[in-house]
Parts: sequence; structure tokens; C-alpha cells
Amino acid sequence: QSVLTQPPSVSGAPGQRVTISCTGSSSNIGAGYDIHWYQQLPGTAPKLLIYSKTNRPSGVPDRFSGSKSGTSASLAITGLQAEDEADYYCQSYDNSLSHWVFGGGTKLTVL
Amino acid sequence: QVQLVQSGAEVKKPGASVKVSCKASGYTFTNSAMHWVRQAPGQGLEWMGWISTGNGNTKYSQKFQGRVTITSDTSASTAYMDLSSLRSEDTAIYYCARTNTGIFDSWGQGTLVTVSS
Repeated sequence: QSVLTQPPSVSGAPGQRVTISCTGSSSNIGAGYDIHWYQQLPGTAPKLLIYSKTNRPSGVPDRFSGSKSGTSASLAITGLQAEDEADYYCQSYDNSLSHWVFGGGTKLTVL
Repeated sequence: QVQLVQSGAEVKKPGASVKVSCKASGYTFTNSAMHWVRQAPGQGLEWMGWISTGNGNTKYSQKFQGRVTITSDTSASTAYMDLSSLRSEDTAIYYCARTNTGIFDSWGQGTLVTVSS
């Protein structure tokens, strides 16, 4: 049971928009700790996708965007492409556990 | 560019220990913390612990407290994760990851540890 809750799977057709939610609590996202997102392509290590809610590292297309509201955050992907098929994880810090936490991960399928 | 290169796959028997290394290059090793994260087969990411490479301070997840030890050798720009009393549930890919202000911005390639009798 992850401290940050994500849907196990989402799907969309090429060109469509999908969102992935990440629900936390008052001890992590709601406490104001930054939320970051990672993309894990099959058989590879996770890669930083979005940091500090809305920022993209260089090389990440602007089709990927992040947002936060209250105790939740979301990752949006527009103009879906086949190469976006991957697992996506949110991550923050939890002050009741006093350590970093990840969401359970969401598998994105491009139909 | 930043690179984290981990040691190779390991096969261990239950009850044994494993030590995984993570050699860093492309940045000043002591300027960034190093974390260890594991991923069991078909499962999500699980934070294990971290080391402040500048002063050697460590913190571990309660789940692994007493079984995990994270160390670093600043002269070799290398971090290590030692996990003892291995059981089958410890079979996983173990990743090292560098952080800057809590952002896991670079990851090692992962090391598969298989625990089997």
C-alpha cells in the first residue's frame, strides 16, 4: 500500500490527452512538499520527467505537464505517442514517515 | 554528463548478504546525496535509504532498518548498499539515484539481486 495513490492503469489513443492522478495526504503533498514525476520505459531505469510540480528537464517534450491542488497532483500527457507507453510514478516527501515516498505507479497503454 | 554505474547481477541464498556498488562520474560526488530504491518483479518503486555523501550521515526506511547499510567512499566516488539476512522477497532490481533538493535526477542502470535456494 503506497502512501501516494495512483491508478494502476490508464489508456488512450494516439493523439489523445490522458491524465494520471497522484493522491496524497496532509503529511506529504498537502504539507507543501514538492511533487516529481518519473517515466520508466520497459526494461529501463526510471527517468525524471517533471520536477517541482510543473518543470521539465531539458529534452522532455512540452506534451508532458504537471499540476497540483491540495493533497493531489496530476500528470497530463497531450498528443499521445506510441513511445509514451511506459510506467509513470509520482514522488514526494512524507513528514510522518520522515522519508521519501513513491506512488504505486501507473501503466500507460497507447491503444 | 552525470553517470551512475552499478555493479552486476547477483544470486544469493536465503540468509546471505549482498553488497551493491554505484560509481558516480560527471559531477562532484560529495555535492549530492545518494539514495537506494528497489523494485520487486512487476512492482513499483520502494525507497530504502540514503547517504549524505558530504558527511556520511544516513537514514533508512523503517522497513529495512537493521538489515540495510549504506556507505560511501568519497575517494572512489562510489556508494554502496549492503542488505543482510536476505529472503526470497528481497528479489528485486536495486537502483542508486542521485538527488538534488529531493529530486531523483539521475539513476543507475539497476542491479538485479535474486535470492533463491
